[in-house]
Amino acid sequence: QKEVEQNSGPLSVPEGAIASLNCTYSDRGSQSFFWYRQYSGKSPELIMSIYSNGDKEDGRFTAQLNKASQYVSLLIRDSQPSDSATYLCAVNVVGSGGSNYKLTFGKGTLLTVNP
Amino acid sequence: GAGVSQSPSNKVTEKGKDVELRCDPISGHTALYWYRQSLGQGLEFLIYFQGNSAPDKSGLPSDRFSAERTGGSVSTLTIQRTQQEDSAVYLCASSPLAGGTQYFGPGTRLTVL
Repeated sequence: QKEVEQNSGPLSVPEGAIASLNCTYSDRGSQSFFWYRQYSGKSPELIMSIYSNGDKEDGRFTAQLNKASQYVSLLIRDSQPSDSATYLCAVNVVGSGGSNYKLTFGKGTLLTVNP
Repeated sequence: GAGVSQSPSNKVTEKGKDVELRCDPISGHTALYWYRQSLGQGLEFLIYFQGNSAPDKSGLPSDRFSAERTGGSVSTLTIQRTQQEDSAVYLCASSPLAGGTQYFGPGTRLTVL
């Protein structure tokens, strides 16, 4: 069973702080990694995608990937109360025959940013 | 452009009835996925379409569940003889290519009484 693991939280940070969300995955062949944000009662929306080792920055968000350690993280700088949501890590899974259409999602980390 | 749309947004049905959920993907997206999300749970993969074919139906929980996609666009998920454990949010996502970024619709909240 190819898995994606996240701490369920809740992770609580004060407004303006850096929130760090972590994810590990089991499939060494994975090539694509995604972070989604899901507000309560809403559907997931894409925050960032990352495909290469290292950091990728987009505004207040930075995704970090380390394929050797099978680890991907999301940093949120200057956290705002509006960032309070569940963050889902998703990793593509290489199936039989080399197929790679499937994403496996972690169960998500609940982030609360306190004013 | 328009995103993924799903209908109905909410569906309340009685146990034993059949329901049909619809997904309209982003135009040009060849890959389409159905997921189920129960309260407080993660996303459960149900089925994957590439064009009109469904190479992976492995997530369908029982033979009461079926799905089809016509014209490489709209997809319907049908649940026959609904049970209370089928109550969940059913999410559809589309992607321009297999394994790429998936864009989610707003979901259909199904309640089986």
